Amino acid sequence: QVQLVQSGAEVKKPGASVKVSCKTSGYTFINYGISWVRQAPGQGLEWMGWISVYNGNTKYAQKLQDRVTMTTDTSTTTAYMEVRSLTSDDTAVYYCARDSITIFGVVTSPPLDNWGQGTLVTVSS
Amino acid sequence: EIVLTQSPATLSLSPGERATLSCRASQNVSSYLAWYQQRPGQAPRLLIYDTSNRATGIPARFSGSGSGTDFTLTISSLEPEDFALYYCQQRATWPPATFGQGTKLEIK
Repeated sequence: QVQLVQSGAEVKKPGASVKVSCKTSGYTFINYGISWVRQAPGQGLEWMGWISVYNGNTKYAQKLQDRVTMTTDTSTTTAYMEVRSLTSDDTAVYYCARDSITIFGVVTSPPLDNWGQGTLVTVSS
Repeated sequence: EIVLTQSPATLSLSPGERATLSCRASQNVSSYLAWYQQRPGQAPRLLIYDTSNRATGIPARFSGSGSGTDFTLTISSLEPEDFALYYCQQRATWPPATFGQGTKLEIK
């Protein structure tokens, strides 16, 4: 079965960086993308960005694009998301989700059809 | 950036009743609209994609409709496990792939 297992909770100081991992299994990693979504305490869902495992293309939310980097490692079928220059506004649960990609104009799968369990990142001095 | 507005913010119904949730887009999103359910303490779950396609394993009581700027998620007969938060998301013009602010479906 498809599984996405994220790394554990993190506590960071303002100005620091955090890197969250998302280990996948149960499907052909390279045929999909990975999106990252975050949720601040008591708030709604915020889309952060997407990466195609197939060709490494990325799309980031404009408000985050100067501070976030998404990568994948096909040898370990793991995706990573790093946020730099953290502030208290970055305190949230961060989710990875399997996502679709487009190959030769064909969308390969439904969007965000399997999710990780979430990683709580707390930014506090 | 396309803004999605969900209504109502909170919907109070009883098990067995029909639920109708709305999502309105600030621009035409064609059919690229998805719905997600989030139960307390859990990750979101895909229910509907491309307006009306049920995701794998989603019961038939969930259905989606609409086009352009107005979309609806309907739950035909509420089960106890359906009381949760619901979000719509558009993928017509991205980045960003924006989410609505959510509708809380609560037991009356």
